[in-house]
Amino acid sequence: DTVLTQSPGTLSLSPGERATLSCRASQSVSSSYLAWYQQKPGQAPRLLIYGASSRATGIPDRFSGSGSGTDFTLTISSLEPEDFAVYYCQQFGRSSWTFGQGTKVEIK
Amino acid sequence: EVQLLESGGGLVQPGGSLRLSCAASGFTFSTYAMTWVRQAPGKGLEWVSVISATDGSTYYADSVKGRFTISRDNSKNTLSLQMNSLRAEDTAVYYCAKAWGDIVLMVYGVGPAVFDYWGQGALVTVSS
Repeated sequence: DTVLTQSPGTLSLSPGERATLSCRASQSVSSSYLAWYQQKPGQAPRLLIYGASSRATGIPDRFSGSGSGTDFTLTISSLEPEDFAVYYCQQFGRSSWTFGQGTKVEIK
Repeated sequence: EVQLLESGGGLVQPGGSLRLSCAASGFTFSTYAMTWVRQAPGKGLEWVSVISATDGSTYYADSVKGRFTISRDNSKNTLSLQMNSLRAEDTAVYYCAKAWGDIVLMVYGVGPAVFDYWGQGALVTVSS
């Protein structure tokens, strides 16, 4: 099974700063099958990015995704107060899904 | 508006059984694969199971295979998860989620293999 490793575990930043989150796969992942989700405390996850770089409906353009093969990145260009949350990457393969362990973006 | 409402969570003893349900509305339920994802307290997300929209194909995570059974009733817009032989490590919030499309579409790359709508979750606690 493909293991996704996210780094860093926690990112401490101030509003307005740029956030760069990494997701590394143990084997190559098709870009079509790499997604990112946001989860706030007490809430369900929300789909942000699919196909490695396409924003889901209603997602602001400060969120962007990039990468290929085994290395993928989620970038938040300028953090808004509502962006402080946990972010998960996800991959699909052989009719099953795996998630990374998450990166927490916290207010510095 | 898409809505997914889980029910059936609660406290159960190790070795016991529980059945979760998810009532769906706001979309054509019979067109989309549906899935369960769980989250242990303070931990990350773990995919549990998926069921296709039309041909009844099901897939499970190794951690639940042989103990959990996913099913759906397209006439009632309802998704279910029968959980047997429950263990302490099954304690989690269980989310029902809608897939972008049917499994065959995702497998052949016709569309993204993602979960675009989620319920608020049902807490399952396995403890004596």
